[in-house]
Amino acid sequence: NAGVTQTPKFQVLKTGQSMTLQCAQDMNHNSMYWYRQDPGMGLRLIYYSASEGTTDKGEVPNGYNVSRLNKREFSLRLESAAPSQTSVYFCASSLDTQYFGPGTRLTVL
Amino acid sequence: RKEVEQDPGPFNVPEGATVAFNCTYSNSASQSFFWYRQDCRKEPKLLMSVYSSGNEDGRFTAQLNRASQYISLLIRDSKLSDSATYLCVVNRNYGQNFVFGPGTRLSVLP
Repeated sequence: NAGVTQTPKFQVLKTGQSMTLQCAQDMNHNSMYWYRQDPGMGLRLIYYSASEGTTDKGEVPNGYNVSRLNKREFSLRLESAAPSQTSVYFCASSLDTQYFGPGTRLTVL
Repeated sequence: RKEVEQDPGPFNVPEGATVAFNCTYSNSASQSFFWYRQDCRKEPKLLMSVYSSGNEDGRFTAQLNRASQYISLLIRDSKLSDSATYLCVVNRNYGQNFVFGPGTRLSVLP
């Protein structure tokens, strides 16, 4: 089992560029999540998906969109990146406890 | 007030010391509780779930006090490898609502 995988590991964007962060899990979990982590702020929920075909906003959804492509995959899209979106992004999945991917370190210049 | 609050860090302790972290939560409807560990530049990893009766895993002991709405983590005989940030996590309804505390950083010194 690979658990939760994320791509890419690192990314540098210019302001206004778009990109999609990919996440996949092989644990057959229904629920999947996207978080961002900033120094001093802890983990903040961007979006989550309780099951295939459903998504809901978390604490900080502005500037992001998500797609739950199937049970395994949950992607996060930045349509027009801003410097305020410079952060570390973690994907997670859960049954009763959460398991995290290794993260994507994104810098927006 | 944040929904989940933790002791401010960092905690700097010598090897072999016993260290305790506290966490308080404000939502009395919270149902399940966890401690996660996060190493520098890595993802959070589950350390242990916290049960009402308290639970122990080797050198780690977790306690839950529902009446006072706090959770504790005790680490005995600290090792250098215990150096990390410890995150308190509360789940409101056994569903998707995991709320993370800001974390407490521990440095175990030789």
